[in-house]
Amino acid sequence: AQSVTQLDSHVSVSEGTPVLLRCNYSSSYSPSLFWYVQHPNKGLQLLLKYTSAATLVKGINGFEAEFKKSETSFHLTKPSAHMSDAAEYFCVVSDSGSKTSYDKVIFGPGTSLSVIP
Amino acid sequence: DVKVTQSSRYLVKRTGEKVFLECVQDMDHENMFWYRQDPGLGLRLIYFSYDVKMKEKGDIPEGYSVSREKKERFSLILESASTNQTSMYLCASSSLPEKDRYNEQFFGPGTRLTVL
Repeated sequence: AQSVTQLDSHVSVSEGTPVLLRCNYSSSYSPSLFWYVQHPNKGLQLLLKYTSAATLVKGINGFEAEFKKSETSFHLTKPSAHMSDAAEYFCVVSDSGSKTSYDKVIFGPGTSLSVIP
Repeated sequence: DVKVTQSSRYLVKRTGEKVFLECVQDMDHENMFWYRQDPGLGLRLIYFSYDVKMKEKGDIPEGYSVSREKKERFSLILESASTNQTSMYLCASSSLPEKDRYNEQFFGPGTRLTVL
């Protein structure tokens, strides 16, 4: 069975300092992994996705995530936080090995990022 | 630019009313989904559809029904709205695994429904 754990429900950083949002997963198959961002009263926007081509994945707005199979982790990082990064972030796992039309997608509970001026 | 649109951003209804939430996607996706999002509970799947006129229950289908008469449109129906259905509702779509093995979902902007 698949599951996603986001280790911090809330993270607060100062503007200009690094961001680390942690995600651990479990999956029976070779997983697809995603990070989505949701700004207040908006839908979810894809930040990046793990495609198995490279373990370090670059996304939009300077975000990166590293897939570590041995640690079953997919942590999201950014070298320098900006005020506009304040939002809710969701780690998502999907079973990419299934042949069915619908592959169950599991969302983590989310991490709220605050950026202090 | 690919898009998933939802008919309303904000909606206020009274208890017992029948409520329709509409979602349209322009990406020719086979799969469409309805989620509700509540503080502390994250996203929970209500229903999904993998083809026209086909539907499957998600994790919390009670009190909801869906309709998919056309490939691009997926409707969520609250037959008799109750106050515990006050929530943010998100629609999403995705392609088939053989077309996109990574199962990326594309989301609409959400509808914030308040039931009084």
